[in-house]
Formats: sequence, C-alpha cells, structure tokens
Amino acid sequence: GAVVSQHPSWVICKSGTSVKIECRSLDFQATTMFWYRQFPKQSLMLMATSNEGSKATYEQGVEKDKFLINHASLTLSTLTVTSAHPEDSSFYICSASEQGLQETQYFGPGTRLLVL
Amino acid sequence: AQSVTQLGSHVSVSEGALVLLRCNYSSSVPPYLFWYVQYPNQGLQLLLKYTSAATLVKGINGFEAEFKKSETSFHLTKPSAHMSDAAEYFCAVSDLGDKIIFGKGTRLHILP
Repeated sequence: GAVVSQHPSWVICKSGTSVKIECRSLDFQATTMFWYRQFPKQSLMLMATSNEGSKATYEQGVEKDKFLINHASLTLSTLTVTSAHPEDSSFYICSASEQGLQETQYFGPGTRLLVL
Repeated sequence: AQSVTQLGSHVSVSEGALVLLRCNYSSSVPPYLFWYVQYPNQGLQLLLKYTSAATLVKGINGFEAEFKKSETSFHLTKPSAHMSDAAEYFCAVSDLGDKIIFGKGTRLHILP
C-alpha cells in the first residue's frame, strides 16, 4: 500500500516551454502533497506544500508564478514549470501524506527534467 | 528551528561489516525522526521512523535506529552490510507532523 506515482519519469524540453508533472496517490487519499527539488548529489529541498482544494504554500525563495501547483483532488497534484530555463533542470520529487498521518510522507519515484 | 546533521557525506564498509550512519538533530519540541534510502534516479523509500514510542526503532531490510534524547542523536545501524545496501541515506526531522527537513545525505559504499 501507500504508493505514489509520478508522470513523466523524465522529460526534455526546449527553453521557454512549460512542463507539467503529475503526482498521484494510487491507493490512499492524500490530503497533503509536497513538492521537492533535488540537485545532483544534494539533499531534497522542499518547494511547496499543497492541501487538497487550497492554494499551495511555497517555501521562501520559490517563485510561485514559475512553479504552479494544483491539488485539485485527493489523489492528484500537478507541478507546472512555466517558461522553463536550463537552470530549472533538476530532479523533482513529490510526496503525499494521509489525513491524520501527516508525520509519514510517501514519496514518488521522481521526475528528471532537462531543459535545453 | 529544526535541523539535521549527518556526519560523513560518504561512508564505506566491507560486506558483512557493521553499518553505522550518524545523525544528530535539533528541534524545539519532541520530534518525529526518519531515515530514508534513495537508490540512483529513484525517489525516497522510508526505512524507519520514530514518533515518540519505543526509542529503538526497527525498520525494513534489517536496519534499526535508536533515539537518544540526551545526545540528540538518531543513528542508523545494520549488523551486517549487504551489497544491495549501497545507496544514499537521508536522515530527516519533523516537528509534530509539520514539514520534513532533510539532512544532506550520506552515501553508503559497500566494499566486496
């Protein structure tokens, strides 16, 4: 149980285009989802926290207009990287937690984004 | 503010030897503590978590960790290393189920 999927697993795009990454909880209802960014050989940095039906809460230094997060249902959250640039190339990982069990996050397999 | 310090960005042990990955935390309230493992190009897998129950926590794949409040530590151990244990390990802390703060990670190398 407690499986989180991400799609796509990797994406290559041209500079200036927008990329959407999906995060789905497959066998539980995720009241809260988290989006992380991981640079090579570094730790995960929390970008934003989203609760179903509410606006996402962004961490300091994360541009909310660039990284659009939508958590429209209890099983789906999306991260859209708008007008992507090469510096946005990174490994993006989502996680999800159930209501009442927010101390445990289940992580997706990650999405590798390469912006040319 | 919460923080996590992992001592040693790289640790090498021989196959069959004891694995010890060190983690110290800082938290203003009784924390939740976690160890995650990450294999190359994959997401994170929860190894174990401490949530104020037993101080010795057993996880998957033979790993365990002991919460020591006096030392503010939560070191991860495994009695006998296996080649498949080679991966990146992250210690993390969370205050009362709030957002998780990760350490910088320790890469575990297993020597044949």
